[in-house]
Order: sequence, then structure tokens, then C-alpha cells
Amino acid sequence: GQNIDQPTEMTATEGAIVQINCTYQTSGFNGLFWYQQHAGEAPTFLSYNVLDGLEEKGRFSSFLSRSKGYSYLLLKELQMKDSASYLCAVRDQRGYSTLTFGKGTMLLVSP
Amino acid sequence: DVKVTQSSRYLVKRTGEKVFLECVQDMDHENMFWYRQDPGLGLRLIYFSYDVKMKEKGDIPEGYSVSREKKERFSLILESASTNQTSMYLCASTDTATGNTIYFGEGSWLTVV
Repeated sequence: GQNIDQPTEMTATEGAIVQINCTYQTSGFNGLFWYQQHAGEAPTFLSYNVLDGLEEKGRFSSFLSRSKGYSYLLLKELQMKDSASYLCAVRDQRGYSTLTFGKGTMLLVSP
Repeated sequence: DVKVTQSSRYLVKRTGEKVFLECVQDMDHENMFWYRQDPGLGLRLIYFSYDVKMKEKGDIPEGYSVSREKKERFSLILESASTNQTSMYLCASTDTATGNTIYFGEGSWLTVV
């Protein structure tokens, strides 16, 4: 079966750093994705990891450990506009880039 | 820019009606997907298609069907809408060569009364 866990909600302060964790147990593994979704909008792509290690892209970084079934998204220098839901998703053995999503983590950034 | 367009943003339908949700992409992508998103449940895959006239069931296909007559268009069909199909429906597409960037449409909010 497919199981992807991430915290439901997190809060942080503007300018701070926040880490959103994701653990997964899936039938096969072919990459892990992070998406950002603002209320009422479509998800937008943030990052992709298929090998172990850290991928950095500006203020956002994503880490993967395949042996532990674990990933995190690190957001630095938080801004108010980073308040959104962050979705962890795994591409599994079905191919064709089908994704299994976690339930999402709602991040609230306060002044 | 890749564009995935869902023709209807907001719909209200009655129980038992047949509902069509249309999705068109302009990047010649082979793979297209329909997800639904519900509070507390996240995004769940309904159906996907990897070529014209090809379709595969996702995780929650019951109560839905799909049609892919042209490469750019992927339609989701609710044969007889029910209140538990009230949801936000998201279409997505990607190509086979890379497949690492999956583009989503803006979403269709369906309310079944």
C-alpha cells in the first residue's frame, strides 16, 4: 500500500527557517516531489529528488533519504507569501508519472 | 509556458446529472491525469491516460469514467453525480521524456446538490 505522512499544520515567523518533514512507505519509488499550493489555486512545482541528498533552489531546499523513506523541505528567510499548503508526493511503480500525495502541511507565517 | 486549462472553474449540478469536466493542455504531453482534492484527504488519483484512447484506473475510479479522443484533451465524466462527489477536481499533464515536471490546471470546483 501507499502511505505518505506529513504534519497537518505548522506555524513560523517571518524571516525564520522552517523544516517540513515527510515520511513515505510506497510500492516502489521513482522520485519524490514537493509542491506548494495557495488556497484556491493549483499546486505549483517546488522540487524533485530521486537520489539521496540535498537539492537547493534559492530559499527552498529539499532532502531525501531513500533508506529511511524520509524527506524534508527547508524554507529559509520566510516571507508572508510562503503561507500555503506544502504537498509531499511520491512517484511510484505505476509509471507514467503517477503521483501519490500526502495530505499536505498547512504553513502559516506570521509577522 | 505550459498551459493546462480546465474549462469550468465552478459548477453546481444536481444529484443524478451527468457531468463532464474538460481539460486541455497545449504542450503535446502524452500523460494526463485527473485528481480530486478534499480537505483532510489530500489529492487522490482518479484516472490517468498515457496516450490517445488509453486510460488506466487510479486509486479512486469508482463513479467516474474518462475519455481521451485527442492527445490534448482529457475529459472526466461523472455518469450520475452524487453528493459525495462534491470536490475540487484537478487535471495535470506531463511528458514521458522528462516526467519530472507535472503541470496542474487551475482546478474545477464541483458542488452536487
